[in-house]
Amino acid sequence: KAGVTQTPRYLIKTRGQQVTLSCSPISGHRSVSWYQQTPGQGLQFLFEYFSETQRNKGNFPGRFSGRQFSNSRSEMNVSTLELGDSALYLCASSSDGRAYNEQFFGPGTRLTVL
Amino acid sequence: AQSVTQLDSQVPVFEEAPVELRCNYSSSVSVYLFWYVQYPNQGLQLLLKYLSGSTLVKGINGFEAEFNKSQTSFHLRKPSVHISDTAEYFCAVRTNTGNQFYFGTGTSLTVIP
Repeated sequence: KAGVTQTPRYLIKTRGQQVTLSCSPISGHRSVSWYQQTPGQGLQFLFEYFSETQRNKGNFPGRFSGRQFSNSRSEMNVSTLELGDSALYLCASSSDGRAYNEQFFGPGTRLTVL
Repeated sequence: AQSVTQLDSQVPVFEEAPVELRCNYSSSVSVYLFWYVQYPNQGLQLLLKYLSGSTLVKGINGFEAEFNKSQTSFHLRKPSVHISDTAEYFCAVRTNTGNQFYFGTGTSLTVIP
């Protein structure tokens, strides 16, 4: 079974631009979660989508948004980029998002904002 | 609210020596506990998890962890480390009704030849 894939792997943007990151979950998985990883803040939960609906959201500003398509693929969008948005963005999928089920993580997209 | 504290940000250890990575958590409700490993330029990989039952949990790559409810701890151990164990290790919790992980800040394990 193919793992979680994220595209692109690396991205460089300038302040004020917007960016869209993509995540393809493991086949059959319906839950997709997004995390931001930075050296200062560690791993922080952004949001979770299940069956095209946002089910849970972390404490991030509205510039961060996402969506999920009918094939469970998910995109994350960040508008009006700031320097502090530079981070590794990780996507994780699980079969149904239940707390006891394993989340499988992708390799991440490293975003650099100049 | 839930929180996770990893007490050591960096742990150097010689090859074939034992290691313990410490994790304490805080939660007002029951939680599930996890340890993940992250190798450079990769995502997170599950090492082991505690859901219920036996407090000693065995995972992949020879790692094990013990859940201690009274001390709210979930320390990770390995009796003999290899160079390939050099990586970042994250402790995480989830409530039994929640969807998100709460991660610790990570422990960087460096195995010295």
